[in-house]
Amino acid sequence: DQQVKQNSPSLSVQEGRISILNCDYTNSMFDYFLWYKKYPAEGPTFLISISSIKDKNEDGRFTVFLNKSAKHLSLHIVPSQPGDSAVYFCAATLSGSARQLTFGSGTQLTVLP
Amino acid sequence: ETGVTQSPTHLIKTRGQQVTLRCSSQSGHNTVSWYQQALGQGPQFIFQYYREEENGRGNFPPRFSGLQFPNYSSELNVNALELDDSALYLCASSFDRYAYEQYFGPGTRLTVT
Repeated sequence: DQQVKQNSPSLSVQEGRISILNCDYTNSMFDYFLWYKKYPAEGPTFLISISSIKDKNEDGRFTVFLNKSAKHLSLHIVPSQPGDSAVYFCAATLSGSARQLTFGSGTQLTVLP
Repeated sequence: ETGVTQSPTHLIKTRGQQVTLRCSSQSGHNTVSWYQQALGQGPQFIFQYYREEENGRGNFPPRFSGLQFPNYSSELNVNALELDDSALYLCASSFDRYAYEQYFGPGTRLTVT
């Protein structure tokens, strides 16, 4: 049972436009959500996160929105740049003794020049 | 400040063999988590080590075991390798076991033939 889902395997966006990556989750006990970016042959790089008590967090070109009632979060990248082309994973974590991350399957973002 | 490092980069083993993967945590981090990433999927949590003790385990059989050393570096051992163990193995370190953000190494690509 996949608790974190990214239903779009790929997304193509023109340089300078907005990229919106989506993620859905089923476990209402998740209390923290994170986005990671992964380039080929590298490990995932932490991008931005949001606590379940907030509905928005912004860091430069990256904004994450959380809709708890819909169990949905999204990552907005504005403006998109060719260097943003990578696989984006959303992840969620539960409070407890071990902060294990539960990941979605990823979305390949391609930003076209 | 050095990031998370992993060795080796690539490894080819035969079914039934045993393998040891190594990870050095980021400076100042005392918690290490291991993840398995199969092709086309997101990383899956194997286990976490905090101050040399296992602090949580995902849905992996006992032939997956680990160690953490006093300098917080870690090993992942897999016995009786199966073809399905072929994957990218990622190590992540965090400031402590309650920290939300985990910082990943580049991974070890294991191929079992």
